Amino acid sequence: NAGVMQNPRHLVRRRGQEARLRCSPMKGHSHVYWYRQLPEEGLKFMVYLQKENIIDESGMPKERFSAEFPKEGPSILRIQQVVRGDSAAYFCASSHRYATNEKLFFGSGTQLSVL
Amino acid sequence: DAKTTQPTSMDCAEGRAANLPCNHSTISGNEYVYWYRQIHSQGPQYIIHGLKNNETNEMASLIITEDRKSSTLILPHATLRDTAVYYCIVLSGGYQKVTFGIGTKLQVIP
Repeated sequence: NAGVMQNPRHLVRRRGQEARLRCSPMKGHSHVYWYRQLPEEGLKFMVYLQKENIIDESGMPKERFSAEFPKEGPSILRIQQVVRGDSAAYFCASSHRYATNEKLFFGSGTQLSVL
Repeated sequence: DAKTTQPTSMDCAEGRAANLPCNHSTISGNEYVYWYRQIHSQGPQYIIHGLKNNETNEMASLIITEDRKSSTLILPHATLRDTAVYYCIVLSGGYQKVTFGIGTKLQVIP
């Protein structure tokens, strides 16, 4: 069974470019979460999606960031016009269902570096 | 979600039990205690969770005090591969919208 797959593993962008981070959840999982981890900090919740729906995006910056989880294909976290402060590790997690006692499975993350 | 407090770092000798404490004094009745760990540069890994009873699985044991205000994660025989940051979080509300704090950096020493 494949786990949560994230790609690319490393992404380098120049200021002003767009970054697209992809996440394929575990087979059978329809709930996806995105987290951001700045250097020497904990993971911060960004957005929670179910297939074709954004359920909670309260942790996502209001501008330049967007996320989607289409009916077919991976979830995408999109950052437009990247700035140096966007440099971080971005982790995706998935779960099977909506439940408090449902554990999350995390991918290996995408390390975004903005030059 | 309730806040948690953990020591910033701990050392443990290889082969000994590692006991990682967590305070969650404002926990409410429907909140679960979860533990995850993050080995350097990897995604967090689920370890164990519980509501009020003690729990054990192949990785660890979770001891929750009777008043539920604190808990301890026990790794019975720590190995070098257990060196990681361990996060204690409490959750309610059906989905895991949570910020993982700084956690406890556990260093297993040969």
